[in-house]
Amino acid sequence: GAVVSQHPSRVICKSGTSVKIECRSLDFQATTMFWYRQFPKQSLMLMATSNEGSKATYEQGVEKDKFLINHASLTLSTLTVTSAHPEDSSFYICSANEGVKGNSPLHFGNGTRLTVT
Amino acid sequence: GQNIDQPTEMTATEGAIVQINCTYQTSGFNGLFWYQQHAGEAPTFLSYNVLDGLEEKGRFSSFLSRSKGYSYLLLKELQMKDSASYLCAVRDSNYQLIWGAGTKLIIKP
Repeated sequence: GAVVSQHPSRVICKSGTSVKIECRSLDFQATTMFWYRQFPKQSLMLMATSNEGSKATYEQGVEKDKFLINHASLTLSTLTVTSAHPEDSSFYICSANEGVKGNSPLHFGNGTRLTVT
Repeated sequence: GQNIDQPTEMTATEGAIVQINCTYQTSGFNGLFWYQQHAGEAPTFLSYNVLDGLEEKGRFSSFLSRSKGYSYLLLKELQMKDSASYLCAVRDSNYQLIWGAGTKLIIKP
């Protein structure tokens, strides 16, 4: 089945530094990928929709200058958390649809647990 | 606004059956998904319903009634490994996924 690979799985960084998270679709092309954030014991929150070859669409309240998204190819999207602060510590998960619409489910990467000290 | 409701937490016994309900009010409907999420892990796809009725997949079944804005996930022969959160999500008219907050299922021996 469709596989989405996310790297790194866990990262600890110091406040003020930047962290890049990669999301790859391994056996299908994904024109659209989605970035979610999940705080402990809370639901998934969509941060942004990453579109191949164009600008990402950010959800309300998500700072586009802080969370930089690049979708340079049909199989790779990256999320860079710039100038990270402790409140950015969270579980970041990327996902992609195998098909365009219809019954194609979202396939998720394994997530990246970010801890900012 | 768009809304998906599911119970926050449920408890069931190993070997038993449990039904997790989900009700939704969304702008249009293009399918309902159930995902399983173990603590500290990403969600994994369980089932998809777009037409009314029951979809069965082994120990898991999912039911949909579009007229009632209602779905349930039925888990049979519960195992300890089924302890997880179960997320209901609806794809709206813009093909955006609207997520419920998840139901934490606790399985007791």
